[in-house]
Amino acid sequence: QVQLRESGPGLVQPSETLSLTCTVSGFSLTSYGVNWVRQPPGKCLEWMGVIWGDGSTAYNSLLKSRLSISRDTSKSQVFLKMNSLQTEDTAIYFCARDRGSSGFDYWGQGVMVTVSS
Amino acid sequence: DIQMTQSPASLSASLGETVSIECLASEDIYNNLAWYQQKPGKSPQLLIYYASSLQDGVPSRFSGSGSGTQYSLKINSLESEDAATYFCLQDSEYPPTFGAGTKLELK
Repeated sequence: QVQLRESGPGLVQPSETLSLTCTVSGFSLTSYGVNWVRQPPGKCLEWMGVIWGDGSTAYNSLLKSRLSISRDTSKSQVFLKMNSLQTEDTAIYFCARDRGSSGFDYWGQGVMVTVSS
Repeated sequence: DIQMTQSPASLSASLGETVSIECLASEDIYNNLAWYQQKPGKSPQLLIYYASSLQDGVPSRFSGSGSGTQYSLKINSLESEDAATYFCLQDSEYPPTFGAGTKLELK
């Protein structure tokens, strides 16, 4: 059974770094890519980046300078780190498995992150 | 980036009716389009991929069609459980981009 679960702090101070973990089960990180997607309150979903099965990464150019995605295959975990957080980064953050072609087939429940002092 | 224009933003329909939701891409996305259903507080559920392929376990009353820049999701014989927000995703070209969503309300 494929599952993804995000974890991380619910509140982050402005200018600080966000660290999130996506723990997966039911599939291997070396066989599937994992995407990070976020949804600000009342706004559209935004793709942030992906780490592919071979370990390579791709990032949204709007976030690339602040964003890093990595993984630990032995723990079945994917990590997101984004620095210099601002209030506009307040959102629900999701991780989602990449089908490899056309769409993301399984998503985590999401974690709400609020950027506020 | 490819822009996805989704319409309508909201929709109200009765049980048993048929509804359609559209996504218009700013350029040809070669059928690399997926449709999702999302209920409040839940993660998105994949309904359709490659524009018209039904994901395993999804009821056959959901169908997708389209090509080029124009795509649609059709829901036949609406059931109460279909009340949700629906959105499209293109991944023909990076970055993948989403439609703004359609909120479907059942009367």
